[in-house]
Amino acid sequence: DQQVKQNSPSLSVQEGRISILNCDYTNSMFDYFLWYKKYPAEGPTFLISISSIKDKNEDGRFTVFLNKSAKHLSLHIVPSQPGDSAVYFCAASESNAGGTSYGKLTFGQGTILTVHP
Amino acid sequence: DAGVIQSPRHEVTEMGQEVTLRCKPISGHDYLFWYRQTMMRGLELLIYFNNNVPIDDSGMPEDRFSAKMPNASFSTLKIQPSEPRDSAVYFCASSLRQGGTSMKFFGPGTRLTVL
Repeated sequence: DQQVKQNSPSLSVQEGRISILNCDYTNSMFDYFLWYKKYPAEGPTFLISISSIKDKNEDGRFTVFLNKSAKHLSLHIVPSQPGDSAVYFCAASESNAGGTSYGKLTFGQGTILTVHP
Repeated sequence: DAGVIQSPRHEVTEMGQEVTLRCKPISGHDYLFWYRQTMMRGLELLIYFNNNVPIDDSGMPEDRFSAKMPNASFSTLKIQPSEPRDSAVYFCASSLRQGGTSMKFFGPGTRLTVL
């Protein structure tokens, strides 16, 4: 049972254009969401996150949007660069009773982004 | 800091053999996680520890898998006996309890091939 789904296995984008990666979740208890980027032969690295109390978080070229009613989040990369070519994982977690969410993360299957020069 | 260290980076073994994967978390981190990456299921959490104590092992596939954390700087994931369907990349990650984040630092992974 995939609680976090990335339905697009791959995405190809021209350099300079916008990349939009999508993620859907089913567990309404998820309240913290993260995006990780992974290069071949390396572990995933944290990219950007968003709490469920927000609907947008921006960090440089990267913006994450959260639509709680649709249980959907997306990562926008503008402008896309060839160095952004990697696998992108969406992840989600639930807060514990103390309001922190430092425990279990549930990941999606990943989307391979290719940015062409 | 060297980051999360995993060894070996690659492991090729034959079905039925015992396999031991090793992880050294980032110094000072009190959470350690073992994940498995496959094409079909992406990244799956196998087990995680807090202060060396296993908290949630519900992701461990079956009794052939076991994990230990004898101290704050070392953890092992053992598969005995190994099967071809165990072939995957196994990642170890660590994190520090702080604020409301779940940001984890991943090691480079161990690519396991069981023939």
